[in-house]
Amino acid sequence: DAKTTQPTSMDCAEGRAANLPCNHSTISGNEYVYWYRQIHSQGPQYIIHGLKNNETNEMASLIITEDRKSSTLILPHATLRDTAVYYCIVRAAFYGGSQGNLIFGKGTKLSVKP
Amino acid sequence: DGGITQSPKYLFRKEGQNVTLSCEQNLNHDAMYWYRQDPGQGLRLIYYSQIVNDFQKGDIAEGYSVSREKKESFPLTVTSAQKNPTAFYLCASSPSPYEQYFGPGTRLTVT
Repeated sequence: DAKTTQPTSMDCAEGRAANLPCNHSTISGNEYVYWYRQIHSQGPQYIIHGLKNNETNEMASLIITEDRKSSTLILPHATLRDTAVYYCIVRAAFYGGSQGNLIFGKGTKLSVKP
Repeated sequence: DGGITQSPKYLFRKEGQNVTLSCEQNLNHDAMYWYRQDPGQGLRLIYYSQIVNDFQKGDIAEGYSVSREKKESFPLTVTSAQKNPTAFYLCASSPSPYEQYFGPGTRLTVT
């Protein structure tokens, strides 16, 4: 079972910031928060990950609450090409063994509208 | 362009036939992975390789085989022993124990 809870769907106007929330109240101390997105029938695309500090890269920002029980992915200027299903995943660093599965929940279907 | 390529995008086979799915990467990543994704489900790990000439079974390796003779290549063979081979197969590579970068996937249909 997925360890995360996300809203089923969200809309965002093109050019505006998209803020996607994720709850992970049972996260363990060694687990990271990852965000991937998947456009229908394509492979998942890695977006960003973090442990406890806020992170930013060229695609997005990740804000993690101090208690690490929730996080928000921010796409600062959403475009039509950002329309996809966004998955929030918690997982420890993978060094082999049984941690390999990526447990995707149902994700959030983000629709960016003109 | 740097990235991961999988071919073909769609593959159809008759039951009882072995089939090999291609995965190539030019990202210079040591680690490579094979997953399958079934409708409405997450990604389940089939095999992974953290270095050339070495690979390990994931959670659902039965009926599959792999090789890693080159850093760039990690082909997956779906054998006739795999009971439910119809699925979306995803190859990934990683520069670290953290993020993974995925190919476009191969959709295999066995009838």
